[in-house]
Amino acid sequence: GAVVSQHPSWVICKSGTSVKIECRSLDFQATTMFWYRQFPKQSLMLMATSNEGSKATYEQGVEKDKFLINHASLTLSTLTVTSAHPEDSSFYICSARGLAGERSSDTQYFGPGTRLTVL
Amino acid sequence: TQLLEQSPQFLSIQEGENLTVYCNSSSVFSSLQWYRQEPGEGPVLLVTVVTGGEVKKLKRLTFQFGDARKDSSLHITAAQPGDTGLYLCAGATSGTYKYIFGTGTRLKVLA
Repeated sequence: GAVVSQHPSWVICKSGTSVKIECRSLDFQATTMFWYRQFPKQSLMLMATSNEGSKATYEQGVEKDKFLINHASLTLSTLTVTSAHPEDSSFYICSARGLAGERSSDTQYFGPGTRLTVL
Repeated sequence: TQLLEQSPQFLSIQEGENLTVYCNSSSVFSSLQWYRQEPGEGPVLLVTVVTGGEVKKLKRLTFQFGDARKDSSLHITAAQPGDTGLYLCAGATSGTYKYIFGTGTRLKVLA
């Protein structure tokens, strides 16, 4: 149980275009989802916390107009990289935490990641 | 800003050797986790510790949470090539489930 998927697993786009990445909790409802980015050979950096039905909370230094997050349902959060540039190329990983009181609420479950390459 | 420093950054050892990875911070955490990540994949949770001084064992891996809940260690006994990967600690402060990740330790175990 507690499976999180991401789509797409990899994407290549041209500079200036926007890219949407989906994060889904497949067998549980996630009140909170987290978005991370990871540069090659580095650790994960938390970008934002997404709560269902409310605005995302962004970490210091992360541009909210650049990285649009929507958490429209208890099983889906999306990250849209707007007007992507080569420096946005990275590995984007989401994680999800379940409803309070349920077993899936005791930790975060990670998706497999999405590799974005901007040409 | 919370900062979790891991040491060493890189470690290359022979199969059968023991090793310890450290995770240190000046912040107090209500919960600390250890993950292992393979290239191109998401991190996989190994353990969660919540009590100061807590020790947990997972086969050849031993995890300890510092008494003051500011630091943690991961000890691997008789390392195997399958242990190769990026090891990450992640801490959450009281009242949140927002985990901040450590700087990472890249381990390579040679056969």
